[in-house]
Amino acid sequence: DQQVKQNSPSLSVQEGRISILNCDYTNSMFDYFLWYKKYPAEGPTFLISISSIKDKNEDGRFTVFLNKSAKHLSLHIVPSQPGDSAVYFCAASARSGNNRKLIWGLGTSLAVNP
Amino acid sequence: EAEVAQSPRYKITEKSQAVAFWCDPISGHATLYWYRQILGQGPELLVQFQDESVVDDSQLPKDRFSAERLKGVDSTLKIQPAELGDSAMYLCASSLAVGLGTQYFGPGTRLTVL
Repeated sequence: DQQVKQNSPSLSVQEGRISILNCDYTNSMFDYFLWYKKYPAEGPTFLISISSIKDKNEDGRFTVFLNKSAKHLSLHIVPSQPGDSAVYFCAASARSGNNRKLIWGLGTSLAVNP
Repeated sequence: EAEVAQSPRYKITEKSQAVAFWCDPISGHATLYWYRQILGQGPELLVQFQDESVVDDSQLPKDRFSAERLKGVDSTLKIQPAELGDSAMYLCASSLAVGLGTQYFGPGTRLTVL
């Protein structure tokens, strides 16, 4: 059973517009959330994270919003650029003793069209 | 900028052969992870090290996979014998310490088993 769900396998956006990628989770013990970007044949690149004590975190063109009551987070990219075209993974973690394990979604493929 | 190094980037082998992957984490990162990623899915954790000790290898197919981090720095993941179903991207990641959520990934090794 997927604890982290990215229900949109793909998204297409025009350059300069906003890209919104969504992620839902089921485990209320998750307290730290991350977004990674992955180009083909490369490893995931860390983008931005958010702790469950916050509802928003911003870094340049990237903003992550967390709605704990809905168990939902979203990544906003404004403005979108062609170089943003990649697969975006949402990941969540909960503390287990001294350890943390990342639980990953299946990814959303974003295409930004010039 | 510090990076996780992996080699080789690409490996083609025949089934029943042995293969080995190498990873050098970001300097000072005590925790090292090996993941396997199949196209269309999120990364799957194979093994996690804290320094030279295994923290989690519950998803490692121990009949054919082995991993070591003898001096608590770089690490090797071995498959013997390789099977067709092992074709995937093998990713190494590191984090500053166990219990910290942000993991930084290397470029990965694309394994093709013929």
